[in-house]
Amino acid sequence: EAQVTQNPRYLITVTGKKLTVTCSQNMNHEYMSWYRQDPGLGLRQIYYSMNVEVTDKGDVPEGYKVSRKEKRNFPLILESPSPNQTSLYFCASSTGGRGPQHFGDGTRLSIL
Amino acid sequence: AQSVTQLDSQVPVFEEAPVELRCNYSSSVSVYLFWYVQYPNQGLQLLLKYLSGSTLVKGINGFEAEFNKSQTSFHLRKPSVHISDTAEYFCAEDTGFQKLVFGTGTRLLVSP
Repeated sequence: EAQVTQNPRYLITVTGKKLTVTCSQNMNHEYMSWYRQDPGLGLRQIYYSMNVEVTDKGDVPEGYKVSRKEKRNFPLILESPSPNQTSLYFCASSTGGRGPQHFGDGTRLSIL
Repeated sequence: AQSVTQLDSQVPVFEEAPVELRCNYSSSVSVYLFWYVQYPNQGLQLLLKYLSGSTLVKGINGFEAEFNKSQTSFHLRKPSVHISDTAEYFCAEDTGFQKLVFGTGTRLLVSP
């Protein structure tokens, strides 16, 4: 089954404790993205990657890092999380061009 | 900057009634538009897409949308809704480099 898998689905942590949210896709997609969803703001792109070792900032990259060492994986790293990063995060992948993106089920982060 | 506007944050409707969820985009060049649906505790699922061609686009679950260039709109419609259509609906535009700009979402509430 074609899917984008995120882990963990839920996480409660404290300010300053580094965390990583993993994302993996099994569709051999070149493009991958991270979004955060906040009430009243919709989804906003954090980072995207067009291929292995090629990443770029989206609209709200501050406080986040990403890496793309393998085609299937695109982890999101919060080096020093803060409460304003409490949000619902989605990973997405696509074939590129103007094709639709396929989304994971989301990761709900709460940073106290 | 390109933007997508969903004017209605919430639309209540009775089962079997028709519904229209409104979306306006701002791009003036080639337009690539999508509607996604988000069921509770799930990721976003593609409903339909407009890349080019016919202005009336049919999607899954009986939904359709009409692209109107003169009004810069891409409204989503369904002639008869079901309880199971209760969800949040997002309109989005692909602005290039796999960046989706989302509207703030419309919560469709279907009651018996």
